[in-house]
Amino acid sequence: ETGVTQSPTHLIKTRGQQVTLRCSSQSGHNTVSWYQQALGQGPQFIFQYYREEENGRGNFPPRFSGLQFPNYSSELNVNALELDDSALYLCAAGGESTDTQYFGPGTRLTVL
Amino acid sequence: DQQVKQNSPSLSVQEGRISILNCDYTNSMFDYFLWYKKYPAEGPTFLISISSIKDKNEDGRFTVFLNKSAKHLSLHIVPSQPGDSAVYFCAASGGTYKYIFGTGTRLKVLA
Repeated sequence: ETGVTQSPTHLIKTRGQQVTLRCSSQSGHNTVSWYQQALGQGPQFIFQYYREEENGRGNFPPRFSGLQFPNYSSELNVNALELDDSALYLCAAGGESTDTQYFGPGTRLTVL
Repeated sequence: DQQVKQNSPSLSVQEGRISILNCDYTNSMFDYFLWYKKYPAEGPTFLISISSIKDKNEDGRFTVFLNKSAKHLSLHIVPSQPGDSAVYFCAASGGTYKYIFGTGTRLKVLA
């Protein structure tokens, strides 16, 4: 049990729509990162938040944005959805005293 | 450019024998390495990690070896059990939480 939860489990959207994915972690997890995992690939880093500020970003366009809240929850927003955005989206939480991140179960997004 | 590579997409091992999963990296700035296990429809589960100041870390049946000069790490599972069947990802970071993952190795432990 990692203490990291994500919602929803599955989601189907159409191209051009917007989507918000949610992540919740436990007290002490000051850092949250979001990853995209396409089929047959390893997770790809999207961005990271530390104490509600973006603290690093991977090679993803600005239509991928996020928020982190004081209650250890976080959101990933994706605008203008494209077919290639279909993937498993994972959030990972970590504390300041460890280098290890713990992953949630993921949200499977399908864009039609 | 794939900075972390797992060149074996799959591996089959007999129950009770040793499983060895390999990972190579190219970035010499990486200083922390992890192994995650992933079952279908679940998120990656942390297994074991190693810092670049060490060359070995052990946790029960799992041992990770790091060869910095070769930029290579390996995960040994002894003895292998059918419940170990999953996809294993290695990941590396360079002082941040930005993990770079390999593409995974599917391990199948045969009963």
